[in-house]
Amino acid sequence: ETGVTQTPRHLVMGMTNKKSLKCEQHLGHNAMYWYKQSAKKPLELMFVYSLEERVENNSVPSRFSPECPNSSHLFLHLHTLQPEDSALYLCASSQDRGHSNQPQHFGDGTRLSIL
Amino acid sequence: GQNIDQPTEMTATEGAIVQINCTYQTSGFNGLFWYQQHAGEAPTFLSYNVLDGLEEKGRFSSFLSRSKGYSYLLLKELQMKDSASYLCAVVDSNYQLIWGAGTKLIIKP
Repeated sequence: ETGVTQTPRHLVMGMTNKKSLKCEQHLGHNAMYWYKQSAKKPLELMFVYSLEERVENNSVPSRFSPECPNSSHLFLHLHTLQPEDSALYLCASSQDRGHSNQPQHFGDGTRLSIL
Repeated sequence: GQNIDQPTEMTATEGAIVQINCTYQTSGFNGLFWYQQHAGEAPTFLSYNVLDGLEEKGRFSSFLSRSKGYSYLLLKELQMKDSASYLCAVVDSNYQLIWGAGTKLIIKP
């Protein structure tokens, strides 16, 4: 139990579907992150929120749309995805952003498959 | 560009010792993390090094040499449950985490 919960654990969707991934952290952290993890590749940072404000958007296609309604919840809205978007999507949180010694705490991820 | 290198896969025997290396070239350095990730699970924090030297935590130790851009994770008395991927990540000058692709460690009886 890491204190970060992601739902669903698995998602299969067609390229024309719309779905959302949900992340909730119970750690009282102020920063939350979305990562994409593909096999044998480094984690790719997608979005960073600090105190509910988006502070980073690393050239992610617009078919991925994040939402952070409060400091405990983070969503990733998906629309018109491509087969290459199939991957494990990880949510993480940390006490604050920009403090080098604070580890990030990860959820178990959503395994996304695009048909 | 920024780069983190780790071996893709390693195999070791139960009860033995294994060393997983990580070399990095980054714009600035503000610390290095090691994480463990079991298949289908969340990465979990193992260690953080910012000063040169060895940090020991039970069966796991992590070493850092900033001048060489090098770290290793040492696992002693290997157990089957240590089969996992081990991720190295460096905090750069912008306090952003730069990740390696991970090392898959296979433990054999």
